[in-house]
Amino acid sequence: EVQLVESGGGLVQPGGSLRLSCAASGFTFSNYNMNWVRQAPGKGLEWLSNIGSSSSAKYYADSVKGRFTISRDNAKNSLYLQMNSLRAEDTAVYYCAREMVTVTTSYYYYMDVWGKGTTVTVSS
Amino acid sequence: EIVLTQSPGTLSLSPGERATLSCRASQSLSSSYLVWYQQKPGQAPRLLIYAASSRATGIPDRFSGSGSGTDFTLTISRLEPEDFAVYYCQQYGHSPPYTFGQGTQLEIK
Repeated sequence: EVQLVESGGGLVQPGGSLRLSCAASGFTFSNYNMNWVRQAPGKGLEWLSNIGSSSSAKYYADSVKGRFTISRDNAKNSLYLQMNSLRAEDTAVYYCAREMVTVTTSYYYYMDVWGKGTTVTVSS
Repeated sequence: EIVLTQSPGTLSLSPGERATLSCRASQSLSSSYLVWYQQKPGQAPRLLIYAASSRATGIPDRFSGSGSGTDFTLTISRLEPEDFAVYYCQQYGHSPPYTFGQGTQLEIK
């Protein structure tokens, strides 16, 4: 079964740091680009970051650029999000999601597999 | 950055009715990059439609997507009780940031 399981969430003080992990199983992790997406309480989805299959390319939303770092360890089938200088507005459920590419007459990109999420609360 | 605006914010309909959800992009977007997700309370988002009109695996054919340029639509032909949820559009794969619309809440009337 294709599965993503996030961990590492918790309560952290403003200005603190946290490292989230996403464990992948049921597919060849090293073949896929991966993403982090978050959802603040009662709010919509916010895309945060994307990393290429070999870590060669990394992209970030402006809201987290310079504070968050995405990384992966293909040998461990794991994706990470290092979060520094955390703020109250970073409080959210954090999801990892797999990027799928379908090739027919063109290339079609989307996120097809999502984890259940891990909750991060930034509060004093 | 491409901004996606979804309308309406909330749609109140009854089971059996037809639902039409709109997603408007701030600039022209290839349909190759327009994706729709469904999210139920306490659950992760679920992929519905990619490339504006291609149903994901296992998605019932009452769900359909259409559109091009700046205007895209998700249609649910005949609402089932399990369809009441929040729906998000996203532009993905064109150019980061891969923005989401703010969502449409589909509620039971």
